[in-house]
Amino acid sequence: DIVMTQTPLSLSVTPGQPASISCKSSQSLLHSDGKTYLYWYLQKPGQSPQLLIYEVSSRFSGVPDRFSGSGSGTDFTLKISRVEAEDVGVYYCMQGIHLSRYTFGQGTKLEIK
Amino acid sequence: EVQLVESGGVVVQPGGSLRLSCAASGFTFDDYTMHWVRQAPGKGLEWVSLISWDGGSTYYADSVKGRFTISRDNSKNSLYLQMNSLRTEDTALYYCAKDLRPRGWLPIDYWGQGTLVTVSS
Repeated sequence: DIVMTQTPLSLSVTPGQPASISCKSSQSLLHSDGKTYLYWYLQKPGQSPQLLIYEVSSRFSGVPDRFSGSGSGTDFTLKISRVEAEDVGVYYCMQGIHLSRYTFGQGTKLEIK
Repeated sequence: EVQLVESGGVVVQPGGSLRLSCAASGFTFDDYTMHWVRQAPGKGLEWVSLISWDGGSTYYADSVKGRFTISRDNSKNSLYLQMNSLRTEDTALYYCAKDLRPRGWLPIDYWGQGTLVTVSS
């Protein structure tokens, strides 16, 4: 199975400052159909995960534009341009290139300073 | 508004069986692939299984293949997970989740609140 490695595993950010999370996959997530099957989720404390970004860089409905995704192949990044208090939680990347072989990263815990 | 409400989680002994249910509303259920994803206490997310919109295709993680069976009843807007030969490592919060696009495969957009399965003697 494809291994997803996130760094850092935790970060503490001052409100208004940027934050960046890296996700590396053990194999390319670029499919022959031209799409790259990389997603980002946020699990806020005590809540279910919520979709932030799909196919590397498309923001899901209602997601603030301070969240952005980038990358290609095996290297991906989630950036928050200006962290707000409501952004605390655990961020997960997920790959879905092979049907039924879906895997998540270990998670990155974001805290507010 | 999309709603996914899981039920059926209990404490069960190793080797036992359990059936989870998920009641869906707020969208055209029979247009969407549905998933089960689990999260062991204090741990990360693990995809478990999916079923296509028409129930014609099912897939499983290796960790549950041969022991779990996913199914759906589109007339009842309901998703199920039959869990047999349960192991202690199956202890987790089990989430029901739907796909973003009709008749597609990933991404998952909405998740339920989860139902807790505890496998312990």
